[in-house]
Amino acid sequence: QEKLVESGGGVVQPGGSLRLSCAASGFTFTTFAIHWVRQAPGRGLEWVAFAFYDAKKTDLADSVKGRFTISRDNVKDTVSLQMDSLRVEDTGTYYCVKSRFCSGSICPTFETWGQGTLVSVSS
Amino acid sequence: QSALTQPASQSASPGQSLTLSCTGTSRDIGSSRYVSWFQQHPGEAPRLLIYSTNTRASGVSDRFSGSKSGNTASLTISELHIKDEADYYCMSYRDDATYVFGTGTAVSVL
Repeated sequence: QEKLVESGGGVVQPGGSLRLSCAASGFTFTTFAIHWVRQAPGRGLEWVAFAFYDAKKTDLADSVKGRFTISRDNVKDTVSLQMDSLRVEDTGTYYCVKSRFCSGSICPTFETWGQGTLVSVSS
Repeated sequence: QSALTQPASQSASPGQSLTLSCTGTSRDIGSSRYVSWFQQHPGEAPRLLIYSTNTRASGVSDRFSGSKSGNTASLTISELHIKDEADYYCMSYRDDATYVFGTGTAVSVL
């Protein structure tokens, strides 16, 4: 059974840093792209970041560019999201999501979701 | 990156059909083969229903169907069940290599 488990969330002050991790199991991790999607409390979904299966291509939403970094370890079957210079508006639940397939570098099928980890940025 | 536009809420009675809309632009829905729909119950992670505009995800009931016309995508839920009461989000690939979600529609089954 495919599974994604996020960890690393918590409470941090504005300007601080957090590192989220996503541990994958139940599928061949090295052949699938992974996304991060977040959801502010009571709000909608927002795409945050993407790492191609071999991590040679990554991308970030404009709202987090220059502050967040996505990386993956294909030996440990994990994806990380390093979040620096955190802002109040970064508060929310962060989901790790597996893409079912890619067409070239477009990986549009957000098939398997973790349960999320909560990030709270507050002074 | 502006979100796709969805009605805030819609409702219908059990057994009826409901069509949810998702309006974007020529940079996303209008030019993309990759429109998806997700269902989210309170306190749960989203669940993929439809991908590539009209393909049902594994295990999804055939009561759910997707389509697109111009810059607007639609999700139709037929024979509404009480358990279909949830939030529904659309999503599209955009021509700047990003992914944009809709604002979400809260569906009530009265």
